[in-house]
Amino acid sequence: GAGVSQTPSNKVTEKGKYVELRCDPISGHTALYWYRQSLGQGPEFLIYFQGTGAADDSGLPNDRFFAVRPEGSVSTLKIQRTERGDSAVYLCASSLGWRSGANVLTFGAGSRLTVL
Amino acid sequence: AQKVTQAQTEISVVEKEDVTLDCVYETRDTTYYLFWYKQPPSGELVFLIRRNSFDEQNEISGRYSWNFQKSTSSFNFTITASQVVDSAVYFCALAANTGNQFYFGTGTSLTVIP
Repeated sequence: GAGVSQTPSNKVTEKGKYVELRCDPISGHTALYWYRQSLGQGPEFLIYFQGTGAADDSGLPNDRFFAVRPEGSVSTLKIQRTERGDSAVYLCASSLGWRSGANVLTFGAGSRLTVL
Repeated sequence: AQKVTQAQTEISVVEKEDVTLDCVYETRDTTYYLFWYKQPPSGELVFLIRRNSFDEQNEISGRYSWNFQKSTSSFNFTITASQVVDSAVYFCALAANTGNQFYFGTGTSLTVIP
């Protein structure tokens, strides 16, 4: 696609529920990142994919968070047993990848998650 | 460790004034990249500029200019003759050659008053 697409744009859920957030990167972008942005803060790194594999998942806060990118394109961020502290905007970004030197991140509009 | 500090939380200027947004970074890597992103009220982060650690030349793009100084680990952003449309949150970010993570500062919220 022309840009990075994220769905849903807004998600309201109850504490303890499971949520999935989807990211469709720019076509041809091999690198995909998930970030979390809380109110008044900068984006906080969660996980980075190069192709299908998670090259760095050190930012995932705990084992309730998991992300996949099975075919090297669309990625899904999965959050189990949601907690109120998970409320934030979840940002996805993609790039052509580091090796090409084209490491400029293009961000999606984000998925705003509210846990009641 | 990699870190980006944007000490200015909020800045307000009157339209047509010049304004400089400060960014100080920390890294032990010799190869790294610095970025500025703009986040308007709509929320989507928009890329403005990227510099690599080997290129300290300052850059000007229209009303925007960037001053990169390795000696002070700073990458400051100046908007000349500010306009209301410049109102946004601006983020400075660092990406080191190892790890491929991008580290963002906490952002500076700029309000341009007409």
